[in-house]
Amino acid sequence: DAGVTQSPTHLIKTRGQQVTLRCSPKSGHDTVSWYQQALGQGPQFIFQYYEEEERQRGNFPDRFSGHQFPNYSSELNVNALLLGDSALYLCASSLDWEETQYFGPGTRLLVL
Amino acid sequence: AQKVTQAQTEISVVEKEDVTLDCVYETRDTTYYLFWYKQPPSGELVFLIRRNSFDEQNEISGRYSWNFQKSTSSFNFTITASQVVDSAVYFCALSVFSQGGSEKLVFGKGTKLTVNP
Repeated sequence: DAGVTQSPTHLIKTRGQQVTLRCSPKSGHDTVSWYQQALGQGPQFIFQYYEEEERQRGNFPDRFSGHQFPNYSSELNVNALLLGDSALYLCASSLDWEETQYFGPGTRLLVL
Repeated sequence: AQKVTQAQTEISVVEKEDVTLDCVYETRDTTYYLFWYKQPPSGELVFLIRRNSFDEQNEISGRYSWNFQKSTSSFNFTITASQVVDSAVYFCALSVFSQGGSEKLVFGKGTKLTVNP
């Protein structure tokens, strides 16, 4: 039973660039949530996708956008990168009617 | 607003000691879920437990136990006979439901546990 997978594992970008992070949910899960974790902090909710639509969004600017595909996989896009976007980006999947979110290993993004 | 407070930033113990990680939460919802996750140095958050707001029964799983008290809005986590492999950052989280029924997690800042041999 495959768990949540994310790619790439690490990424280095420069200010102003754009980045796309990818997530494949745990087998059987249909809901994907994205979180940003700054160094030394707890994860912060970015948004959640269900049935290919953004269902809920946290306090993140429009530079952060996402997409969910028919196979339930998801992408997180960040435009016009800022130094402050450097963080660990975590993807979590769940089954819509079940409340437990299972996390992937994350993508470490460094913006120079 | 919903909030989770983990007052202990770092804890250091010697192997075989018992250790309790504190978690205090704030919410106006009557229905909610509480979680504990473990984050080893690799970065992946590992699910440990989920408890709903209507179930205050304490739970034990091997060396792990959880004490949920609604009266004090606390959901504390105890590791008995700690081991070096328990070294990690532990996060307490609260589920927050939107009007549309979707759920997000609100996390505390985490407690870094170091178990020394």
